[in-house]
Amino acid sequence: QQQVKQSPQSLIVQKGGISIINCAYENTAFDYFPWYQQFPGKGPALLIAIRPDVSEKKEGRFTISFNKSAKQFSLHIMDSQPGDSATYFCAARADAGKSTFGDGTTLTVKP
Amino acid sequence: EPEVTQTPSHQVTQMGQEVILRCVPISNHLYFYWYRQILGQKVEFLVSFYNNEISEKSEIFDDQFSVERPDGSNFTLKIRSTKLEDSAMYFCASSFSTDRDNGYTFGSGTRLTVV
Repeated sequence: QQQVKQSPQSLIVQKGGISIINCAYENTAFDYFPWYQQFPGKGPALLIAIRPDVSEKKEGRFTISFNKSAKQFSLHIMDSQPGDSATYFCAARADAGKSTFGDGTTLTVKP
Repeated sequence: EPEVTQTPSHQVTQMGQEVILRCVPISNHLYFYWYRQILGQKVEFLVSFYNNEISEKSEIFDDQFSVERPDGSNFTLKIRSTKLEDSAMYFCASSFSTDRDNGYTFGSGTRLTVV
């Protein structure tokens, strides 16, 4: 019940395209859903996050869509750029502060 | 921008040896965490720490692991007797609170290699 399932494992997108990464969870106690971006040799960096009372949040080219009834959320990267090539992790957190991470998606944006 | 600093960046140790991984969280943060990431795998929670005590720990965080905040700035993870399977990237993170909309700030990690 603590798992967060993330797909796809890897994604290749052409420059300018839309990258979509999906996550699903089971624990209804989760109330904060962040996405992290990780470059090789670096720690995860918070990219964007959403609360379950909001269905969509947009920051620049990054959008989270949240479907509470389906217990799913997704990250959309519009106008994907080669500099977006990284590993993306979704996560879910309940009150205690501990985050449960998805398995990660390796995104490659081809020039 | 404030950073979480981790040292060393890479540590090689022999199996059975003790290691201490060090972290300096962001100065006004109150909640501290250790996560690990085995190469190519997901980020796994180890332990959270608040008000000088462990708030929560995972099943990975057994008796071989301990955490300490010895002074007002450092936050350490000690592995008493390292095993080969402890080889991983260890990330320290901190946050100001556990309120919603409060994400972590992660350090760049310590790569621990047990030989």
